[in-house]
Amino acid sequence: ETGVTQSPTHLIKTRGQQVTLRCSSQSGHNTVSWYQQALGQGPQFIFQYYREEENGRGNFPPRFSGLQFPNYSSELNVNALELDDSALYLCASSTRFRESPLHFGNGTRLTVT
Amino acid sequence: AQRVTQPEKLLSVFKGAPVELKCNYSYSGSPELFWYVQYSRQRLQLLLRHISRESIKGFTADLNKGETSFHLKKPFAQEEDSAMYYCALSALSGGYNKLIFGAGTRLAVHP
Repeated sequence: ETGVTQSPTHLIKTRGQQVTLRCSSQSGHNTVSWYQQALGQGPQFIFQYYREEENGRGNFPPRFSGLQFPNYSSELNVNALELDDSALYLCASSTRFRESPLHFGNGTRLTVT
Repeated sequence: AQRVTQPEKLLSVFKGAPVELKCNYSYSGSPELFWYVQYSRQRLQLLLRHISRESIKGFTADLNKGETSFHLKKPFAQEEDSAMYYCALSALSGGYNKLIFGAGTRLAVHP
């Protein structure tokens, strides 16, 4: 069973730039969710993708966007980076069912200077 | 409002002592609750879920709908239990479900 993998592990960007984070889902999972975890906080839901479409979004502005590909891998794109975007970004895959637990990747640590 | 509250940022106990990590939730529907754990230098992973009613690594958690709580308990803490623990609520919204996490409690078990 292949787990969830994320790349890169660390990233430093300048305010105003754009960033793309990548995630490869666990085999057999068709749903991917992205979370932002600020220092000292629990993960916060950004959005979820199922069958290559966004089917749910948390309280994040449109400059946070994503993609899911036919092989269930996924990207998170953030435009016009702000200092407050500095956080750990977690990708999690699951099946469609509500009681299905999320399987998390190790995350990408983004620092915006 | 959908919310998960973990009132303690840090819980410090000695090995062999009982442990209770508190979690309260706010949700208008039928709750699905989970505990996730993150050991040092490891990824966030599922510890247990209320629907399974199981004991994992000696931990149990009972859903109390009257008190809207899902506290995590273990009768005798071990040093290897030291980790960050997150309580999470699966909230249904518009045909999809998302996890709402608490801020987490760091459990430190001392020898």
